[in-house]
Amino acid sequence: GAVVSQHPSRVICKSGTSVKIECRSLDFQATTMFWYRQFPKQSLMLMATSNEGSKATYEQGVEKDKFLINHASLTLSTLTVTSAHPEDSSFYICSARTVTTNEKLFFGSGTQLSVL
Amino acid sequence: QKEVEQNSGPLSVPEGAIASLNCTYSDRGSQSFFWYRQYSGKSPELIMFIYSNGDKEDGRFTAQLNKASQYVSLLIRDSQPSDSATYLCAAFTSGQNFVFGPGTRLSVLP
Repeated sequence: GAVVSQHPSRVICKSGTSVKIECRSLDFQATTMFWYRQFPKQSLMLMATSNEGSKATYEQGVEKDKFLINHASLTLSTLTVTSAHPEDSSFYICSARTVTTNEKLFFGSGTQLSVL
Repeated sequence: QKEVEQNSGPLSVPEGAIASLNCTYSDRGSQSFFWYRQYSGKSPELIMFIYSNGDKEDGRFTAQLNKASQYVSLLIRDSQPSDSATYLCAAFTSGQNFVFGPGTRLSVLP
């Protein structure tokens, strides 16, 4: 299957700092990428849809000024958690949508964010 | 009504048995269906996809689709302890969205 690379895999930061997470589609172009967060033993929660060259679409209840998404190229989307607080600690996962006759969705490896 | 529904489990099966995971969806216009496996602390991994009615086999996995009943299933033959994970069903809907079910936790007992 297609490869989606996500970095970093784990980050620990102090409260109030910002953290940037990168998501790259390595062997295909992804006009659309998605960002999820997942708490332990809970389901994936879609945060936002990232479209190349346009503003991201955020799900209800997700603060767009806190979770900044940039999708500047067909292979890269970034999520910046601004002024992180302990309640932002979670597993963040990106996914990328292939643009083929039969579309598929592939996930990055995830980023475990711990805010102290 | 949730768009994609799954029994949350846990579903426990003995090693070597067949595990049967089920999923229903509400959007009759959904075009394609996917099964992802997610180990604890890891991201989901695509293991099967199916577009047409009937069965699709890949190794120990068989996906089954019945569009009339809006039902998708995943069978895992000769289940192994390493198959213990959460299995997510997803549909690509008529609205061009990927919608996930809540996942079924499978436990294969040695």
